[in-house]
Amino acid sequence: GQQVQQSPASLVLQEGENAELQCNFSTSLNSMQWFYQRPGGSLVSLFYNPSGTKHSGRLTSTTVIKERRSSLHISSSQTTDSGTYLCALEGWNSNNRIFFGDGTQLVVKP
Amino acid sequence: AQTIHQWPVAEIKAVGSPLSLGCTIKGKSSPNLYWYWQATGGTLQQLFYSITVGQVESVVQLNLSASRPKDDQFILSTEKLLLSHSGFYLCAWSPEVFFGKGTRLTVV
Repeated sequence: GQQVQQSPASLVLQEGENAELQCNFSTSLNSMQWFYQRPGGSLVSLFYNPSGTKHSGRLTSTTVIKERRSSLHISSSQTTDSGTYLCALEGWNSNNRIFFGDGTQLVVKP
Repeated sequence: AQTIHQWPVAEIKAVGSPLSLGCTIKGKSSPNLYWYWQATGGTLQQLFYSITVGQVESVVQLNLSASRPKDDQFILSTEKLLLSHSGFYLCAWSPEVFFGKGTRLTVV
């Protein structure tokens, strides 16, 4: 089965609204990361967050290991936030496989 | 500074022709290295990973091969390209995953 499930698959916001993206995982966690994929394809790491809460500007990532979930909160969204957001998990005993979610396609309208 | 240099940036190749994509890392000692592939509009698929020089494990069979000739180099190749090889190829390292800027391959 799929190790990482992301939701929602897509999200449309008006500029200024907040977004909450979820990542649920079914394996024991070694590391969790959130990425932003630009329309051109390159990936930018937003957070390396195996546990707890981290903040960066308008972004907040929270990983709760016991509940096997991680979230990415975007506050006061801007049109430049549009793109694909991916979570990636490296599990214990995963033989160095890193599992990606299928991503959330975010569109922020002006 | 830690960097991943991928080459070429983009490539248009004919079906049946050979391919070699390269990835060179700097600023990270003995990392795990990965090749990922993403079809247009598709999800990321891990193709290969390498824990150490000379050792490569295949994750998905796509008629591609990979080699790690040096600690800081990871090569993806095939003797004969298929149309289905088109897409975006990304090299990455872990721990704390970091990606190169990718190679966009179009097979015609």
